[in-house]
Amino acid sequence: AQSVAQPEDQVNVAEGNPLTVKCTYSVSGNPYLFWYVQYPNRGLQFLLKYITGDNLVKGSYGFEAEFNKSQTSFHLKKPSALVSDSALYFCAVRDMDTGRRALTFGSGTRLQVQP
Amino acid sequence: DGGITQSPKYLFRKEGQNVTLSCEQNLNHDAMYWYRQDPGQGLRLIYYSQIVNDFQKGDIAEGYSVSREKKESFPLTVTSAQKNPTAFYLCASSMAPNRANTEAFFGQGTRLTVV
Repeated sequence: AQSVAQPEDQVNVAEGNPLTVKCTYSVSGNPYLFWYVQYPNRGLQFLLKYITGDNLVKGSYGFEAEFNKSQTSFHLKKPSALVSDSALYFCAVRDMDTGRRALTFGSGTRLQVQP
Repeated sequence: DGGITQSPKYLFRKEGQNVTLSCEQNLNHDAMYWYRQDPGQGLRLIYYSQIVNDFQKGDIAEGYSVSREKKESFPLTVTSAQKNPTAFYLCASSMAPNRANTEAFFGQGTRLTVV
């Protein structure tokens, strides 16, 4: 079975400071990993994904994520946070080696960026 | 303009009633999904369909039913057997199942409330 853990319910950061939102995963085979962002009462927007290759993945709005196979982690990062980055962030995984093609999501982390 | 359209945006259901949530996509995607979102629990998979006229139960299928008669449409019926249907429902789609490295695209969601 595949699973995702987001250990922090909320992350608070000051505008201009770097931010990190943590994600760890568990799969039986090779993972495809994704980050999404959700604004209030809206659907999820895709930010970035790790498929293979370079462990540092760059995505939309200046976000990036680092894949670490030994630690089974895929943390989301941004060098300088904006107030407009305040939202709910979800990490998701798809196990390539099982028949299940649907994404499995973490419980979400609320990012609050203070001016 | 390509995308996923969910309707209605808000839906109120009386106890004992069945209601159907609409999901239409014009992205020519083969796979479609329904997720339920509750506060603090992330997204949980209800049903998914990899191809027309075929669908599989997700993690919380009890009390729900779906159909996939057309590639573009994947309606979800919340039946009276669903004991706690108040939630935010999200529909998503993605490219062919064998292209599992592709991200899913989400609609804007339907908020269902039991009154």
